[in-house]
Amino acid sequence: GQNIDQPTEMTATEGAIVQINCTYQTSGFNGLFWYQQHAGEAPTFLSYNVLDGLEEKGRFSSFLSRSKGYSYLLLKELQMKDSASYLCALMDSNYQLIWGAGTKLIIKP
Amino acid sequence: EAGVVQSPRYKIIEKKQPVAFWCNPISGHNTLYWYLQNLGQGPELLIRYENEEAVDDSQLPKDRFSAERLKGVDSTLKIQPAELGDSAVYLCASSLESGVSYNEQFFGPGTRLTVL
Repeated sequence: GQNIDQPTEMTATEGAIVQINCTYQTSGFNGLFWYQQHAGEAPTFLSYNVLDGLEEKGRFSSFLSRSKGYSYLLLKELQMKDSASYLCALMDSNYQLIWGAGTKLIIKP
Repeated sequence: EAGVVQSPRYKIIEKKQPVAFWCNPISGHNTLYWYLQNLGQGPELLIRYENEEAVDDSQLPKDRFSAERLKGVDSTLKIQPAELGDSAVYLCASSLESGVSYNEQFFGPGTRLTVL
């Protein structure tokens, strides 16, 4: 079966950098997604990794190591609007997304 | 381009009552998903449609839940009768296609259901 783990909650300071980790176990892998979800709103797509390495997109970067079953989302120059939940989702061998519980990120001034 | 539209946004009903949710996906998106999301959890897939065909409904509690996508566009999710444990946010999402690795799903705002 599949299993995804990510921290429940993290706190960071405005202007700083934060790394949100996601570890997974799966028998089939077709990519890993990160989504952002503000309270009471729908998830929105942030990034996709299918090969090992770092994908950078503005202030956000996502890293994948398939051999370690590990990914992280790196947020730089944190802004108050980055306060949200960040969901790690694994695409399995059936092309179905398996979602983590999400990491609630709290940004303090 | 219009996003995924869902209605209603909020619904409060008493247990044992029926309820229905409606979703209109992004134009041209063949794949439609219904998810259930509890507070502090990730979305859980209920059913996935490819055009009008339900291709994955293994997680749908078929004794009380039903869904349809008659013309391969709009979809309706129904619960009858609702139970207290059904209180959650019901999210609809769509994508161009499925069965490919890069498959960005676009979500609607969700329907927050409260069963009293």
